[in-house]
Amino acid sequence: GIQVEQSPPDLILQEGANSTLRCNFSDSVNNLQWFHQNPWGQLINLFYIPSGTKQNGRLSATTVATERYSLLYISSSQTTDSGVYFCAVGNSGGSNYKLTFGKGTLLTVNP
Amino acid sequence: ETGVTQTPRHLVMGMTNKKSLKCEQHLGHNAMYWYKQSAKKPLELMFVYNFKEQTENNSVPSRFSPECPNSSHLFLHLHTLQPEDSALYLCASSQRPGLAGVESYNEQFFGPGTRLTVL
Repeated sequence: GIQVEQSPPDLILQEGANSTLRCNFSDSVNNLQWFHQNPWGQLINLFYIPSGTKQNGRLSATTVATERYSLLYISSSQTTDSGVYFCAVGNSGGSNYKLTFGKGTLLTVNP
Repeated sequence: ETGVTQTPRHLVMGMTNKKSLKCEQHLGHNAMYWYKQSAKKPLELMFVYNFKEQTENNSVPSRFSPECPNSSHLFLHLHTLQPEDSALYLCASSQRPGLAGVESYNEQFFGPGTRLTVL
């Protein structure tokens, strides 16, 4: 099956700093989502971005499907941004509803 | 609030108990999913229901039994679980998976999860 690798596994920032999280995947995809999991376990949808670039406030994401990677940018980070960020992909085998998740990036933003 | 609710939020059960997890989506979606998140492991897909029909069983042991009476409700019946089944169980829904040319219908939305502990 498709492999998903996220980097870095852990990231510690000071409030106000910018960061870039990366997601590499091993096969072509037509479904890619970024999630933020809060300390209570809730997965919050950040972006649905199988290709292209999107922005939402301080967050933006870019997926280059031909090169099999996606980037999540967080600018002017806040303590509330802390948590685990997951990338999940569905490949183009006709079952793109089957999401395969990466192991996540644990982000800690210190005040 | 994602429009997907799960109950209970926490559950402790013995290995001989029978319990059920409930998921309800208020988004008008047609597909629902169960995922398992164990400590130190990525989220794993367990089951998929599309228009109330099970379309995916990801080699899940029979002590987990899903039920989807309609497109808005999904249950996971638990029976004679093992301590290693302790995990966060997440429900998700999407509008209409696998519909060619309408990719946005595949976006999945998750409930808050049930944290299960098996003693």
